[in-house]
Amino acid sequence: EAQVTQNPRYLITVTGKKLTVTCSQNMNHEYMSWYRQDPGLGLRQIYYSMNVEVTDKGDVPEGYKVSRKEKRNFPLILESPSPNQTSLYFCASSLSGGGQGLYEQYFGPGTRLTVT
Amino acid sequence: GEDVEQSLFLSVREGDSSVINCTYTDSSSTYLYWYKQEPGAGLQLLTYIFSNMDMKQDQRLTVLLNKKDKHLSLRIADTQTGDSAIYFCAEKYSSASKIIFGSGTRLSIRP
Repeated sequence: EAQVTQNPRYLITVTGKKLTVTCSQNMNHEYMSWYRQDPGLGLRQIYYSMNVEVTDKGDVPEGYKVSRKEKRNFPLILESPSPNQTSLYFCASSLSGGGQGLYEQYFGPGTRLTVT
Repeated sequence: GEDVEQSLFLSVREGDSSVINCTYTDSSSTYLYWYKQEPGAGLQLLTYIFSNMDMKQDQRLTVLLNKKDKHLSLRIADTQTGDSAIYFCAEKYSSASKIIFGSGTRLSIRP
């Protein structure tokens, strides 16, 4: 089944304790992206990756890191989480990201992160 | 700047039509999308319209695009309880590798 998986689905942690949220897709998609969803703000892009070893900042990259060593995986790293990073996080992938195509994005189920 | 705006809430009676509106800023957008987010789930593409179209119909869904006013709408005919969800409008910039999402409209259905 074609899908985007994220782990963990729920995480409660304390300020400053490094964490990683994993994202994996099995559709051989080139483009992957991380978003955070906050009430009234919709989805805001954190980082995206056009292909392996190619990553770029989105609209709200501060406090986050990503890596793309393999095509299927795109982990999100919070080196020193803070309470303002409490949010619902979504990973998404699409066949490609540039040009004029449709580029339907497939979303993971979300990771609800609480930082105390 | 880049901005996609939607109202946050819409309540309709079961069986009526729902109309969700969206305004966007980039006149060079290639595709405009409607995504649906059901409770506890990620977003799923519901429908889309290419920027050279005015209207697209797909079963109970009708998308209208007014490029002059940069206005996009989604009409759901005969709204059912299963249509309860958050609906996100989004645009794909022709010049950038990103999709800009609106804040989402929460559609609730009254019996």
